[in-house]
Formats: sequence, structure tokens, C-alpha cells
Amino acid sequence: DTGVSQDPRHKITKRGQNVTFRCDPISEHNRLYWYRQTLGQGPEFLTYFQNEAQLEKSRLLSDRFSAERPKGSFSTLEIQRTEQGDSAMYLCASSLDRGGMPQHFGDGTRLSIL
Amino acid sequence: GQNIDQPTEMTATEGAIVQINCTYQTSGFNGLFWYQQHAGEAPTFLSYNVLDGLEEKGRFSSFLSRSKGYSYLLLKELQMKDSASYLCAVRGGSYIPTFGRGTSLIVHP
Repeated sequence: DTGVSQDPRHKITKRGQNVTFRCDPISEHNRLYWYRQTLGQGPEFLTYFQNEAQLEKSRLLSDRFSAERPKGSFSTLEIQRTEQGDSAMYLCASSLDRGGMPQHFGDGTRLSIL
Repeated sequence: GQNIDQPTEMTATEGAIVQINCTYQTSGFNGLFWYQQHAGEAPTFLSYNVLDGLEEKGRFSSFLSRSKGYSYLLLKELQMKDSASYLCAVRGGSYIPTFGRGTSLIVHP
């Protein structure tokens, strides 16, 4: 039983660099979500896909962030010109498109900005 | 918008019962989820409520009152491994779950 997988698990980079994360959802799940989580906080919604369509983005998501899900399967989240405040755990989740279906989370990518 | 409130931290004794409350304000309501998250790990699904009442699943139960904007997670026969953060998430009109900040539960012997 393959769950949601994320790559890399950890990323350390210098301020100003671009980073890209990948998420492979559970294969039959058509919904895919990206969240950001900092210590002591719950996951904060970033963006959501239904199949390949990006249906919603958080107002908190600056234009340095972009996400894609080109074929409705895996997704990538790119952060350009990283800043110190981008340091966080980036979580990907997927779910079926039916009421009450829970989200299944990946283990996340921990981003540290030097 | 949505506002979700949970206590920051709770402590309890092994073998006891603990109730973690969650209050919410949301435009539209399409269900409430509880997740467990151990330190450094992904959240894992515990329960889902969309109608008023109690849902029981083993040692864990979850209650919902939509009119009061209130839910609780009840953990019975606490074990040390239950020490974790418990996240309340509400799905509003947009169908996207919004998470509270989580309640850190510490179970001691």
C-alpha cells in the first residue's frame, strides 16, 4: 500500500535560491493539497488541485510560490528567491473526491533557509 | 473566513480519559476532521463528523454540535503512545479543510 510520498525529505539552501519539491499522491486520489506547517502550528493551506486543475490558492501565497500538477498525478511546488520566513515543513496531502474522505498526508519536506 | 480554536496543551495520566475541545466559526460547513500528529511525522486521520452526535472508534470518540460550532475528541484508556498533537480541521464552504493550531497532549505515567 503506497501512501503519499514527498521528495526531498530535507532541503537546506541559501536565501535567494530557488527550490522545488515533489509530491506523489495515492494513485487513485484526484484531489491534491499543499500545506505549510511551522513549529507549534497546524498545517496552513497553500493550494489545491482537482486532477490537473489548480482550483484554489491561499491569499497568503505570494507570487514567489507556484505549483503545478501537469498530468493530474504528481505535483511540484516551487519557491523562487527564498526568504528566511519560508523555513517550514511543506506537507502534501491527497484525497478522493467524495464527501467525508479524509486527507492522507506525506511525511513532508523540511525546508531550512540559511 | 474560518476561525478554529483549540487549547494549546493538555496533560493527562496513563489510563485516564481526556477530552480535547475544538470550537469553530466558518462560512458554510461540510464536515470536521480530527488528526493525530506525532512530532516530526505526518498527520494521520482519526475521525470525521458531519452530522451532530457522537462517532465512536475504539478508544477514540468524536462529538459534533453544528449549532454550537463545537466538537470534542475523547480519548479513553490513555497510553503513553497517545502523546502527540491533535489537530481539528473544518471543511467549510470551499470544501478545503482548514486546520487549527493543534493541541499538544502529554501523557505521563
